[in-house]
Amino acid sequence: DVKVTQSSRYLVKRTGEKVFLECVQDMDHENMFWYRQDPGLGLRLIYFSYDVKMKEKGDIPEGYSVSREKKERFSLILESASTNQTSMYLCASSLYGLAGAYEQYFGPGTRLTVT
Amino acid sequence: AQKVTQAQTEISVVEKEDVTLDCVYETRDTTYYLFWYKQPPSGELVFLIRRNSFDEQNEISGRYSWNFQKSTSSFNFTITASQVVDSAVYFCALSESLIQGAQKLVFGQGTRLTINP
Repeated sequence: DVKVTQSSRYLVKRTGEKVFLECVQDMDHENMFWYRQDPGLGLRLIYFSYDVKMKEKGDIPEGYSVSREKKERFSLILESASTNQTSMYLCASSLYGLAGAYEQYFGPGTRLTVT
Repeated sequence: AQKVTQAQTEISVVEKEDVTLDCVYETRDTTYYLFWYKQPPSGELVFLIRRNSFDEQNEISGRYSWNFQKSTSSFNFTITASQVVDSAVYFCALSESLIQGAQKLVFGQGTRLTINP
């Protein structure tokens, strides 16, 4: 079974803190993604990575950065957390495919509250 | 840009009723993929189905069935004889090609389905 794990289920941080969200997958997937989920807005892509050390901006990258030093690990960084970054953060991974789109497998999510 | 619309924000039915979740999409790609995911109260999104744009055959898996109609850009999901365990938020998603062979998923806003006993 594909397994995507995230470092925390719940996290509470103060405004201005630097926040690290970690994601690890065990299926040797090339692609990894970070989304945030907010009520009424569905899932929105923050960043994705298609290879080690490679990263690309998604739809809402402002205020975030990412790091992928190893294939199995993809980190999301909030350089200076703000209250509008309070959200559910979901990590996902998928196979790489020039021929088509593969399903993404999701982690359990991290509910981040910034006070 | 790709877009997915799930017009039904919330649906509530009584157990054993059939229920259909609507999904309408917009794309300029000739080849694309459509997906459905389930998000139970535990929060983890669970993959249900992937459908290639060239394959318009309907698919059935137990009590679940999917109706893909390219002519109306719709990919609807029907649960037959619903059960309380089907209560969840359901997301429809559409692939969008990115650089280097990566594919992004564009998600609809989700439909919250509640099955009452």
